[in-house]
Amino acid sequence: GDSVTQMEGPVTLSEEAFLTINCTYTATGYPSLFWYVQYPGEGLQLLLKATKADDKGSNKGFEATYRKETTSFHLEKGSVQVSDSAVYFCALTLGVLTGGGNKLTFGTGTQLKVEL
Amino acid sequence: NAGVTQTPKFRVLKTGQSMTLLCAQDMNHEYMYWYRQDPGMGLRLIHYSVGEGTTAKGEVPDGYNVSRLKKQNFLLGLESAAPSQTSVYFCASSRTVYNEQFFGPGTRLTVL
Repeated sequence: GDSVTQMEGPVTLSEEAFLTINCTYTATGYPSLFWYVQYPGEGLQLLLKATKADDKGSNKGFEATYRKETTSFHLEKGSVQVSDSAVYFCALTLGVLTGGGNKLTFGTGTQLKVEL
Repeated sequence: NAGVTQTPKFRVLKTGQSMTLLCAQDMNHEYMYWYRQDPGMGLRLIHYSVGEGTTAKGEVPDGYNVSRLKKQNFLLGLESAAPSQTSVYFCASSRTVYNEQFFGPGTRLTVL
């Protein structure tokens, strides 16, 4: 079946450090890929997405490139801030479920802690 | 706009009790979803709805029922709670099947 694998956390960085969170996927078709962020006590928010190979999604200084050859969608940020502390989820969708819904398959999440 | 709201935020049940979680969205979205989040497992889809009056099973539907009597509301019911249903439950909605899903803040449920 379809699956998403993320690096284990927590990841602890100093402010202004470079961030990489690895994400690889297995899918039977050509998925769309997403990064969601969950701040403490809140629901998930879409951070960025890419819908086809070589697309780069970007938002708030975060970037991720859809690499079909390596089935990866790694999240990067050049200089993290304390306010980036959150749990980051990589996810994919192949589109419609039987019946019409849209199922997101999530990774297990990676907690990021940024310290001063 | 409030977006997606969920009630209650927290709940503790005893085994065998029943309860209903309410999800409401004010974005006029057709699609709504219920997920559960468990440590080390990400989020898993319980049930979903493609419009008012419709529901369908996701990947972990056992022990749950849902109803979508009004377009803006999606209810998740537990008829006889079990400790294995201790989890954080998230509701989400999207305008179409291809659009971004918007998530509520979650309900933390503990079953003793």
